[in-house]
Formats: sequence, C-alpha cells, structure tokens
Amino acid sequence: EIVLTQSPGTLSLSPGERATLSCRASQSVTSNYLAWYQQKPGQAPRLLIYGASSRATGIPDRFSGSGSGTDFTLTISRLEPEDFAVYYCQQYGSSPLFTFGPGTKVDIK
Amino acid sequence: QVHLQQWGAGLLKPSETLSLTCAVYGGSFSAYYWSWIRQPPGKGLEWIGEITHSGSTKYNPSLKSRVILSVDTSKSHFSLRLSSVTAADTAVYYCARSIYYNSSGSFDPWGQGTLVTVSS
Repeated sequence: EIVLTQSPGTLSLSPGERATLSCRASQSVTSNYLAWYQQKPGQAPRLLIYGASSRATGIPDRFSGSGSGTDFTLTISRLEPEDFAVYYCQQYGSSPLFTFGPGTKVDIK
Repeated sequence: QVHLQQWGAGLLKPSETLSLTCAVYGGSFSAYYWSWIRQPPGKGLEWIGEITHSGSTKYNPSLKSRVILSVDTSKSHFSLRLSSVTAADTAVYYCARSIYYNSSGSFDPWGQGTLVTVSS
C-alpha cells in the first residue's frame, strides 16, 4: 500500500501570501496519478488538481500542482480569503485503488 | 452539470447494516464509474469502493468482507451496504463520480455527505 504523508500539518499564512503544500509517497506514484482536493468545514471535498499538474474545470490559475515519483507539491500563488481550508492529496493505481493523505490545514495567521 | 444527491439512515446500532443510496442527475450514468468514500469525524478520507453501470466492482481490501455496492441503471442510482457496523464505522459517507482523465483516477463531483453514527 502506498502511504501518503502531507506536510506541514498546519500552515498559518496571511491573505496574499504564497502557500506551498507537500505530499510525499512511500513508493513512486504510478504515472504521476496524483490529485489534490480542497475541503471547507461542513462541505464535501472539491477536486483541484489531477494527474499531478492539471487543473480541474473551474479551478483558478492561482492553484498549481507539480512533482513526480514520490514528491508532489500544491502551490497557491496568492491566498484569497476563500482558500483557507484543508487540502488533501490522493493517489490512484496502487492497492487499495485510491488512498488519501492526512491533509494540510491552511489557516489565517 | 452532474449533481449527486445521497440519502440513508443516519443512526445505527452495532452489528446493524449501513445502507446508503446516491442518485445521479444531469449527466451520463453509464459513461462513468461511481465510488463511495468515508471520513470519520475530524479525520481523513478513506475510499470504500467503486462500481460501474454494469455492476463491476472494486473494493478497498480493508472493508471488502463487509461491503456490497450495487447499481440501478434505470434510476441512475448506486448504493452502499456495509454490514456488521461498529463505532469505528462512524463517519460522513460520500458518494462521488470516479473520473479518469488521461488514466489518472480522481473524484469529481461529490455528494453532499451523510453522517452515519453507530451507537448503542
């Protein structure tokens, strides 16, 4: 089983700052099949990034994904007030078919 | 615009069977795969399983012995049954569409979530 580790656990930033979130896999992720989600309190997760670097439909370009193999990054170039949330990475392809990281909380400094 | 609406019992006793259904509106049911995911209160996400419109399934090995997914294509519904529940199964359960962009699997969109509490 591929285990995903996310760091930091909590990221305290101000609006307008740049956020850099890390997702590390215990083994190489198949063909960079890695996705990122945003979840706000009381809401379902929302897909942001798939295939490690492709933005989902309707996602602003301040969100970008990068990385390969075992190390992946989600970057939010300039934090907007609505971006303060929990972010999860997710891999596809290794048994179990889908696994998620534990999440990174981005909160207001 | 695809929309998922889910429902089911929210309070169960230990050993009972959890049953949830998800309806798909506004899109092709047969063209996609459909998943269930859960999230214990204050914790992370766990994929439960996936089903196609023809009833082909894949399950998380950690839950496989207790899970049955089913589909009703005539209603564009898919369902989850989880047997012999315990307090450890207390979670918000989500249905979601599995999508495979360039073979990379992810989930979009998601249902609104159903909190299922297991308590005696």
